Amino acid sequence: NAGVMQNPRHLVRRRGQEARLRCSPMKGHSHVYWYRQLPEEGLKFMVYLQKENIIDESGMPKERFSAEFPKEGPSILRIQQVVRGDSAAYFCASSPRIRYSDTQYFGPGTRLTVL
Amino acid sequence: GIQVEQSPPDLILQEGANSTLRCNFSDSVNNLQWFHQNPWGQLINLFYIPSGTKQNGRLSATTVATERYSLLYISSSQTTDSGVYFCAAWGGEQGGSEKLVFGKGTKLTVNP
Repeated sequence: NAGVMQNPRHLVRRRGQEARLRCSPMKGHSHVYWYRQLPEEGLKFMVYLQKENIIDESGMPKERFSAEFPKEGPSILRIQQVVRGDSAAYFCASSPRIRYSDTQYFGPGTRLTVL
Repeated sequence: GIQVEQSPPDLILQEGANSTLRCNFSDSVNNLQWFHQNPWGQLINLFYIPSGTKQNGRLSATTVATERYSLLYISSSQTTDSGVYFCAAWGGEQGGSEKLVFGKGTKLTVNP
């Protein structure tokens, strides 16, 4: 059973460009979480999605950031008009959520560098 | 929301030594996980342990939910154990979405 897949692993963008980060959850998992890790810090929650629904986006910046998890295909985290402060590692996690609370399994992350 | 604190922030060991990392949390938890982030940045699941004790090889973890702390034990440490160890918890707030709150981590360096 393949783990959580994220691509690209590294992404370089110039200020003002768009960044698209992809996450394919583990097989059978329909719950996806995105977290951001700024340099030398712990991870911080951004958004929680189920198929076709955003459940909780309380950690998402109000502007330029959006996320989706379509019926078919991976979850996408999109950052428009990137700025240097967006440089970070972005991790995706998935969970089967069979029980009330379940293990979250993390992908390898996408490291975004904004020049 | 729940707060998670880890100690110590930094730990340097000689290969073969044992260590204990601590995670305190401010409220009752429904989910508590330990992770190892290796020097290449990969985040590896170690334990899902909202209560009780688990062991996996040289690593073991204990969570005492009533006293709001969890401990991660590393025995006979190896240089490959180096990295940052994170504790993350979810308190199960009513209507909450199971978002994990991470501590700031313990940076472990194991010297040969």
